[in-house]
Amino acid sequence: DQQVKQNSPSLSVQEGRISILNCDYTNSMFDYFLWYKKYPAEGPTFLISISSIKDKNEDGRFTVFLNKSAKHLSLHIVPSQPGDSAVYFCAAKKGGGGADGLTFGKGTHLIIQP
Amino acid sequence: NAGVMQNPRHLVRRRGQEARLRCSPMKGHSHVYWYRQLPEEGLKFMVYLQKENIIDESGMPKERFSAEFPKEGPSILRIQQVVRGDSAAYFCASSRRQGAFDEQFFGPGTRLTVL
Repeated sequence: DQQVKQNSPSLSVQEGRISILNCDYTNSMFDYFLWYKKYPAEGPTFLISISSIKDKNEDGRFTVFLNKSAKHLSLHIVPSQPGDSAVYFCAAKKGGGGADGLTFGKGTHLIIQP
Repeated sequence: NAGVMQNPRHLVRRRGQEARLRCSPMKGHSHVYWYRQLPEEGLKFMVYLQKENIIDESGMPKERFSAEFPKEGPSILRIQQVVRGDSAAYFCASSRRQGAFDEQFFGPGTRLTVL
């Protein structure tokens, strides 16, 4: 049962354009969401996060939007650069005193074309 | 200023052997998490440990798998009597404290291949 879903296994975007990566979740107990970037043969690297009390968080070229009613979040990268080519994972966690293990989606492979 | 260290980076075992994966958290971090990534899948949470304590092992298979984080030394994920289905990338992450807003930093992973 996939609680965090990334329905696009891959996405191809031209350099300089906007990349939009989408993520849906089913568990209403999730209240904190993160995006990780992963290169081959490396561990995931934290990119940006958002708490459920916000609907937007921005950090340089990266912006995450959260729509709680739709249980949907998206990562916007603008402008896209060749170094952004990687697999992007959406992850979620429950707050409170529960386990801190993250629940990951399957990832979206972003390819930035020159 | 070292990050999370994992060794070995690659491990090959024959069916029935034991695999030991080690993880040294970042300096100042006392919380360790283990995740497994099967081919073409996302990372799956296995276990969360603090020093000398297992906090949550709900994601870990009940048999053959165990984890520890002793007072001194690295965290160890141990897989006994490995089978082909155990072939995966195993990632360790560490954080400074428990909390909803506490970032987990990941190591480079150990790629286990079971022949």
